Amino acid sequence: EAQVTQNPRYLITVTGKKLTVTCSQNMNHEYMSWYRQDPGLGLRQIYYSMNVEVTDKGDVPEGYKVSRKEKRNFPLILESPSPNQTSLYFCASSLSAGAANSPLHFGNGTRLTVT
Amino acid sequence: AQKITQTQPGMFVQEKEAVTLDCTYDTSDQSYGLFWYKQPSSGEMIFLIYQGSYDEQNATEGRYSLNFQKARKSANLVISASQLGDSAMYFCAMRGFYNFNKFYFGSGTKLNVKP
Repeated sequence: EAQVTQNPRYLITVTGKKLTVTCSQNMNHEYMSWYRQDPGLGLRQIYYSMNVEVTDKGDVPEGYKVSRKEKRNFPLILESPSPNQTSLYFCASSLSAGAANSPLHFGNGTRLTVT
Repeated sequence: AQKITQTQPGMFVQEKEAVTLDCTYDTSDQSYGLFWYKQPSSGEMIFLIYQGSYDEQNATEGRYSLNFQKARKSANLVISASQLGDSAMYFCAMRGFYNFNKFYFGSGTKLNVKP
């Protein structure tokens, strides 16, 4: 089944404890990206990747890191999480990095709570 | 700057009636793509429909249609014959042809279908 898989679905952590949210897609998509969803703000892009080893900042990159060493994987790293990073996170991919008509396919989301 | 505006935080509709969810956008791009996504209470993001800025016909997908008015920069989603399962959050999103790295999302509209 074609899908984007995120893990974990739920994560509760404490301030400053490094964490990684994994994301993997099995559709051979070039483009992958991370979003955070906060009430009243919709989804905001954190980072995106056009292809292996090609990543760039979205609109809210502060406090996050990413890497794209393989085409299928795009982990999100929080080196020192803070309470304002408590949010619902989505990983998404699309077939082509250069096609505006290519929709995003989303993972099921990771609900992160930082205390 | 790109921006998506959804002015209806919440809406009610009677089962079997049609409903229109509003979306306006702001972009300096001449070519762009517009998307609608559904987010049920379970949290996943489901792609519904796509409209290209140069498409002459309004997009349709089953009970979903997109009322695209380019001059007004609006891309309203019309759901015909509402069903209880349509109760969800709906997001409008945009991706540029030239600035295709970024997706921009509106703040969403929460639709409740009443039996």
